[in-house]
Amino acid sequence: DAKTTQPNSMESNEEEPVHLPCNHSTISGTDYIHWYRQLPSQGPEYVIHGLTSNVNNRMASLAIAEDRKSSTLILHRATLRDAAVYYCILRDVWGAQKLVFGQGTRLTINP
Amino acid sequence: KAGVTQTPRYLIKTRGQQVTLSCSPISGHRSVSWYQQTPGQGLQFLFEYFSETQRNKGNFPGRFSGRQFSNSRSEMNVSTLELGDSALYLCASTIGTANTGELFFGEGSRLTVL
Repeated sequence: DAKTTQPNSMESNEEEPVHLPCNHSTISGTDYIHWYRQLPSQGPEYVIHGLTSNVNNRMASLAIAEDRKSSTLILHRATLRDAAVYYCILRDVWGAQKLVFGQGTRLTINP
Repeated sequence: KAGVTQTPRYLIKTRGQQVTLSCSPISGHRSVSWYQQTPGQGLQFLFEYFSETQRNKGNFPGRFSGRQFSNSRSEMNVSTLELGDSALYLCASTIGTANTGELFFGEGSRLTVL
């Protein structure tokens, strides 16, 4: 499974945008980029995923570099509830039905 | 729509015992996978079942096993418990027909081995 690299931690202020980076230089053409987050004392929850084009949903936006070697998860207006560990994961569309988690980025939101 | 339900939420066992954890997926979901989360190793994939068949298995010893029933409910079993098996065990379900689908996780079963 191709690997991803994320900063260990980031900090932001409430109601400000947050940009969470992810590097995946060995991504293959059939890898989708997925983001999950894990709030304290909960299981991971799906945030967003994409292949080549930028994606938006009610939770966040995903900006994918043209060469697909990096991506950025964007939280447009962070709230205290967004404090969590965010995982950037590559999933091969033809691969096993599983997620390979890295260490993720621990996001702290200051009030 | 009910989410993924895991039971029990907390349990304490002693070394050498065995444990069975249960997972009820979201209605209509046929794929159930299990993950182990520890502070040292993070989240690691254990195995995945689809239509009562194990499709994928992670790198864990044979003491870890699982099964899936015809109603898609799943159980995992750990035999001869070791201290290092103390972890949060998470179950996730998905419809299972596409490998890009969203996985829905339960809140986990926290196992403590003394």
